[in-house]
Amino acid sequence: DAGVTQSPTHLIKTRGQQVTLRCSPKSGHDTVSWYQQALGQGPQFIFQYYEEEERQRGNFPDRFSGHQFPNYSSELNVNALLLGDSALYLCASSPDGRNEKLFFGSGTQLSVL
Amino acid sequence: QKEVEQDPGPLSVPEGAIVSLNCTYSNSAFQYFMWYRQYSRKGPELLMYTYSSGNKEDGRFTAQVDKSSKYISLFIRDSQPSDSATYLCAMSPIGGGSYIPTFGRGTSLIVHP
Repeated sequence: DAGVTQSPTHLIKTRGQQVTLRCSPKSGHDTVSWYQQALGQGPQFIFQYYEEEERQRGNFPDRFSGHQFPNYSSELNVNALLLGDSALYLCASSPDGRNEKLFFGSGTQLSVL
Repeated sequence: QKEVEQDPGPLSVPEGAIVSLNCTYSNSAFQYFMWYRQYSRKGPELLMYTYSSGNKEDGRFTAQVDKSSKYISLFIRDSQPSDSATYLCAMSPIGGGSYIPTFGRGTSLIVHP
């Protein structure tokens, strides 16, 4: 049983560019959350998708957007990249729209130069 | 002041030591408490969770919650080099909604042989 898979594992972009990160949830999970983890910090909640809709959103600007597909996989898009967007982006999946037990992927390390 | 405070360490202990990791919080609405373990270049992994004050034990790990003091702890007995990782506390309200956990910044633990 595959866990949460994320792609790519590493990405280097320049300021102003756009990026798309991808996530496939754990088998049987229908809820996907995205987190940003800066170096030396805990994960910060970006948003959560359930039933193909953004259900909750953290304190992130509209440059951060997402999508969930019918197979429950998800994408995170970030436009107009800033240096401060450099971080580890984590995807977490869970069942039934709940958050008690999150299963995280290994993340995408994004570097903005 | 952050809602969840956690000393980043690093905490360095010899193999076999008892480790105590702690978090304090300010939000009285937090009623569900979690500990995640994160190895280098990996996503967080749920280690323990509890709703109630008091102790919860699982093998070498004990989670302790003191709601009156807004203080939670994770104890690791007979620590092993394989326990070397960053330990993140997380907490959320409970109830009818799908509450998103708030994470601490993590404590880096090094267990040396």
